[in-house]
Amino acid sequence: QVQLQESGPGLVKPSQTLSLTCTVSGGSISSGGSYWSWIRQHPGKGLEWIGYIYYTGSTYYNPSLKSPVTISLDTSKNQFSLKLSSVTAADTAVYYCASGLGPNDAFDIWGQGTMVIVSS
Amino acid sequence: QSALTQPASVSGSPGQSITISCTGTSSDVGGYNYVSWYQHHPGKAPKLMIYEVSNRPSGVSNRFSGSKSGNTASLTISGLQAEDEADYYCSSYTSSSTLVFGGGTKLTVL
Repeated sequence: QVQLQESGPGLVKPSQTLSLTCTVSGGSISSGGSYWSWIRQHPGKGLEWIGYIYYTGSTYYNPSLKSPVTISLDTSKNQFSLKLSSVTAADTAVYYCASGLGPNDAFDIWGQGTMVIVSS
Repeated sequence: QSALTQPASVSGSPGQSITISCTGTSSDVGGYNYVSWYQHHPGKAPKLMIYEVSNRPSGVSNRFSGSKSGNTASLTISGLQAEDEADYYCSSYTSSSTLVFGGGTKLTVL
């Protein structure tokens, strides 16, 4: 049974880089088939898809995001990561990592989420 | 891409059936059979309940069913149980090659 767990700082200063890691257990991040994704939920709002990375390293990001995004893989640690640059208060949210069934399909496994506050 | 439209809240009594709607456009819900539904108990990981409009993942109760008509998708829960009380979100693939979610619906079991 694959499980996902997010980790990273809960507080980031404006204009700095938000960095989060998702650790995958119970399965290999390199085994193919899953689109490793990040999703966030602003306080009191709905969910917003950020982007995904496939085990080959190919990525796709939501073009509507204002802060530059990078998602990367670390196969040696069975982890994938999110970096959001030049963050503002608008990036304050609960961040979830998830496994996607396809590049345009549902997310079948989610982490519990981690709250990140952007504030000086 | 605008968020999909869901009712803010729905309620029902144990044993009843309820339906949650998810309205989009021909560029998302109406254009693709990639609509999914998630159950979210606050503080826990969201759970996939329906994918590709009407498919149930292994382990999800057959009390949950999904359908679509035009630009509106629906999640129906029959035989409502107390543990069904949660937030529910829909999602769809879009013509911009992105995924968009609904604003969420709070289900209350009376």
